[in-house]
Amino acid sequence: AQRVTQPEKLLSVFKGAPVELKCNYSYSGSPELFWYVQYSRQRLQLLLRHISRESIKGFTADLNKGETSFHLKKPFAQEEDSAMYYCALRGWGKFQFGAGTQVVVTP
Amino acid sequence: EADIYQTPRYLVIGTGKKITLECSQTMGHDKMYWYQQDPGMELHLIHYSYGVNSTEKGDLSSESTVSRIRTEHFPLTLESARPSHTSQYLCASSAYREEVGTEAFFGQGTRLTVV
Repeated sequence: AQRVTQPEKLLSVFKGAPVELKCNYSYSGSPELFWYVQYSRQRLQLLLRHISRESIKGFTADLNKGETSFHLKKPFAQEEDSAMYYCALRGWGKFQFGAGTQVVVTP
Repeated sequence: EADIYQTPRYLVIGTGKKITLECSQTMGHDKMYWYQQDPGMELHLIHYSYGVNSTEKGDLSSESTVSRIRTEHFPLTLESARPSHTSQYLCASSAYREEVGTEAFFGQGTRLTVV
């Protein structure tokens, strides 16, 4: 069975501080991992995916197969980063989402 | 414009009524999904489809049913709504692209309240 775990429901950080959102997964095959973001009153949208190995809006995420983790990081949080973040795994043709982490960036 | 549309955005309905939540996508995607999401909680997959005439139940048991008669249309039906069905329902579609892999696109969601 595939499972995605996001241990933090809420992360509150100051503007300019680093932020790290944790994501762990369980999957027997080779997964595709994603981070999705939902800003206030907007639809859920893709932030980044592990196969692209890119930085989007200053965020990066590295897939660590040994630790089965895909943590999302940004060195300097901005107020516009306040949103709900979901880690997702695509396996067996389906997308499995974690419970989400609410990020609040205060000035 | 290629997009995924859900209607209605909000629905308040009485117990026992039959309702259909609409989802349409103009992106030509084969795969479509329905998720149920309670506030601050994770998304639970309740139905998915790999193409026309293909539907499967998801990980979360649901009393709803779906159909996929056309590629672009994936409606979800509740024959008899109950207060326990109160939730947000998200429709999504996905496709594989050689250069970037697979990505799921979401609609705006339907917030259902059963009174």
